[in-house]
This record gives sequence, C-alpha cells and structure tokens, in this order.
Amino acid sequence: NAGVTQTPKFRILKIGQSMTLQCTQDMNHNYMYWYRQDPGMGLKLIYYSVGAGITDKGEVPNGYNVSRSTTEDFPLRLELAAPSQTSVYFCASSFPGLQNTEAFFGQGTRLTVV
Amino acid sequence: DQQVKQNSPSLSVQEGRISILNCDYTNSMFDYFLWYKKYPAEGPTFLISISSIKDKNEDGRFTVFLNKSAKHLSLHIVPSQPGDSAVYFCAASSTIYNFNKFYFGSGTKLNVKP
Repeated sequence: NAGVTQTPKFRILKIGQSMTLQCTQDMNHNYMYWYRQDPGMGLKLIYYSVGAGITDKGEVPNGYNVSRSTTEDFPLRLELAAPSQTSVYFCASSFPGLQNTEAFFGQGTRLTVV
Repeated sequence: DQQVKQNSPSLSVQEGRISILNCDYTNSMFDYFLWYKKYPAEGPTFLISISSIKDKNEDGRFTVFLNKSAKHLSLHIVPSQPGDSAVYFCAASSTIYNFNKFYFGSGTKLNVKP
C-alpha cells in the first residue's frame, strides 16, 4: 500500500532556480492538497484540487503553481526559488463523500533555498 | 489570521497519566474537526475526528471533546505511553463553506516520560 508518495525527500536549491515537487497517490482520491510547514508553525495550505483539471488557491499560493492532469498526480512547481520558500512540503489526498473525511499525507519534502 | 490555535507548544506527561491537548478555533462555520499525530521526518497521520453534531468521540485510548459554544476542542490520551510522544496537530474544516479544506493549528509537542 503506497498511499501518498512524494519525491524528492530532500532538495537544496539556489535562489532563482526552479523545481517541481512530485506527488502521486494510488487510492483514487479526488481531493489533493499541498501544504507547507515552517518551523514552529502549523501546516499552511498552498493549493488544492477537487479533481482532475480543477485547482484552487489556498492560504499561501504566491510563488507556486500546480496542475492536475490525472487523478493520481498533483505536482507543485516553484518557478523562482526564494529563501522564504525554505520549508517542509507535504502532499495529501482525501476522498470526501457527503461528509468531510480525513486526509492522508505523504512523508514530506524538505526544501532548502540558499 | 490563524483560525485554528494550539496555544501550548509543548506538554510533558508521565507514562500512565492522562495527556490533555487543547485547541481553539475562531470560525463558527467549522463543523468537522480532526487530530493528527506527527513523528519526526514523517507526514502527519490521522488519529481521530469529530463532527459538530457530537460533543465526544472515543477511539481506544483517545477521546476528543468538542465544546461548540466555547469554540474549543481537546484530545485526551489515557493512559499515555512513551510511543505517544509526537507532535499533535488540530485541524478544522467546514462542510458548507470550504468542503474538506483543512485549517491546521501550530501543533503541540507531547513528551511522555517513562
């Protein structure tokens, strides 16, 4: 049972570089999310998607882009990395029916921008 | 503006005793609440949830209490075990306003001493 898989686990970027954080889930969940966690802080929602082709901004979307071409994949793109984007990034998915349900998280990607 | 708050960054409890973790929220539209547990270098894992139609939900050693009038929830762990040592996040969402879009608190680090 893979669940939610994120790659890479660690990455160091130089200021101005670009990268894509990959996220894939094998649970056929229609909802997917990207969160970031800064030291001593909670998880902040960057972007989320309620299904293939549909994405929306969360609380802290600036500096990021997402796409959702398939149910399984939800990559997060950083176009011009800045030190403020140093954080741990978590991808999650959920399958809400008529009621809200819990989200399942990946193991995280620790990103450092220098 | 943080909509979900965990005002205690840390809590230390003796093994076998009760651990009580607290969470407050400000948005009266929230009607579904969750607790997640997070170990270092891992993603958060779902622990227990409660809908606003209930004031208590129990699962083994874990019980969540909801006080809607006070906009407060708490997680009780009885008896506490050393393996419970982790960071606990409270999260909330609204079925009507932002379906399955979760807002997280900043977390409480629980240390259970043997």
